[in-house]
Amino acid sequence: GNSVTQMEGPVTLSEEAFLTINCTYTATGYPSLFWYVQYPGEGLQLLLKATKADDKGSNKGFEATYRKETTSFHLEKGSVQVSDSAVYFCALIYSPGYALNFGKGTSLLVTP
Amino acid sequence: GAVVSQHPSRVICKSGTSVKIECRSLDFQATTMFWYRQFPKQSLMLMATSNEGSKATYEQGVEKDKFLINHASLTLSTLTVTSAHPEDSSFYICSARDTGTGTYNEQFFGPGTRLTVL
Repeated sequence: GNSVTQMEGPVTLSEEAFLTINCTYTATGYPSLFWYVQYPGEGLQLLLKATKADDKGSNKGFEATYRKETTSFHLEKGSVQVSDSAVYFCALIYSPGYALNFGKGTSLLVTP
Repeated sequence: GAVVSQHPSRVICKSGTSVKIECRSLDFQATTMFWYRQFPKQSLMLMATSNEGSKATYEQGVEKDKFLINHASLTLSTLTVTSAHPEDSSFYICSARDTGTGTYNEQFFGPGTRLTVL
């Protein structure tokens, strides 16, 4: 079946450090891939997405590239800020009308 | 942008009572809504898929008689936790799929409802 695997957290970085959160997936066919962010006490917000191989999603300095050959969608940011502290979820959807399959989430803490 | 609201945001109830949570798509129509449950420091687990005008589809292990879902209109789905017990305490999140042509595959999430059963 479809599944998403994320790197275990928590991840602690100093402000302005480089961020990578790994995400790999298994799926039949060609799913769409997403990164969602959840700030403390809030619901999920879509951070970025990619709907086909080699697409790069980007938003707020975050980027992720849909790599079909490695079945990966790693999240990166060149310089993190304290305000980026949150839980990040990688997710996939196989087809419209279906629910999202989420990874377990990676908690990020950025310290000043 | 597409907005999904949930009400209430927090609820505390006594064991044995029922609690209704509303999920509304405010500026778009949603034939499909999803209900998730999130335990502390864990991922979202899909509970059920709610389709407007038809019965919800529940995931394996989710008691449909305990978690009643109604999707009576294109903008509203409700989840009722019947005879709630402390183990039902959790963060419940809904999402709505925009059936418009401009947001293929995208779902929008509500802010969640924190349920605490005493």
